[in-house]
Amino acid sequence: EDQVTQSPEALRLQEGESSSLNCSYTVSGLRGLFWYRQDPGKGPEFLFTLYSAGEEKEKERLKATLTKKESFLHITAPKPEDSATYLCAVQEYNTDKLIFGTGTRLQVFP
Amino acid sequence: EAGVTQFPSHSVIEKGQTVTLRCDPISGHDNLYWYRRVMGKEIKFLLHFVKESKQDESGMPNNRFLAERTGGTYSTLKVQPAELEDSGVYFCASSLRTGPTEAFFGQGTRLTVV
Repeated sequence: EDQVTQSPEALRLQEGESSSLNCSYTVSGLRGLFWYRQDPGKGPEFLFTLYSAGEEKEKERLKATLTKKESFLHITAPKPEDSATYLCAVQEYNTDKLIFGTGTRLQVFP
Repeated sequence: EAGVTQFPSHSVIEKGQTVTLRCDPISGHDNLYWYRRVMGKEIKFLLHFVKESKQDESGMPNNRFLAERTGGTYSTLKVQPAELEDSGVYFCASSLRTGPTEAFFGQGTRLTVV
């Protein structure tokens, strides 16, 4: 069965303290892996799509990487405004639906 | 450009009643998706429209849920009759193309069945 597992469930960081979030996935054929950010009371906001192992993408303090079994979202020198829930989702071949993990709730303290 | 809009933002209904959720996708987006997040669980796919046609409805939980997209514009999701386990946040998303492309999500409708 297709599965997406995110860890840790929650992460508390001091401002400037870099860290990484993990997304492990099991699918029969990966079409794309997505990272979304979700703020309380809002819908998921798109961050990145990764298509193949070895690919990396960056946006401001965020960098996403992909291997054949997992993806990492690296947060460099985070700021309080980076506090949010970060969601990972995968899409298989022959389907357009996203399979989500439960997310990592990140809190960054000044 | 307006984003994906969902109505209402919150709904509280009694068990056995009917509720209709509405989603207005981004103009020009042929692909419209419904997802649901129940308490403590991950966001789960319900169904996918391409224009007015149901492309994939494999995630619809049972026949109490009816989704429509007349004219290929806005979509409605009706729950009739509502049960306690239907409580959760219902998200709508739209995208310009199929495949591994960016999907834009609405803010969600929080449904509480009491």
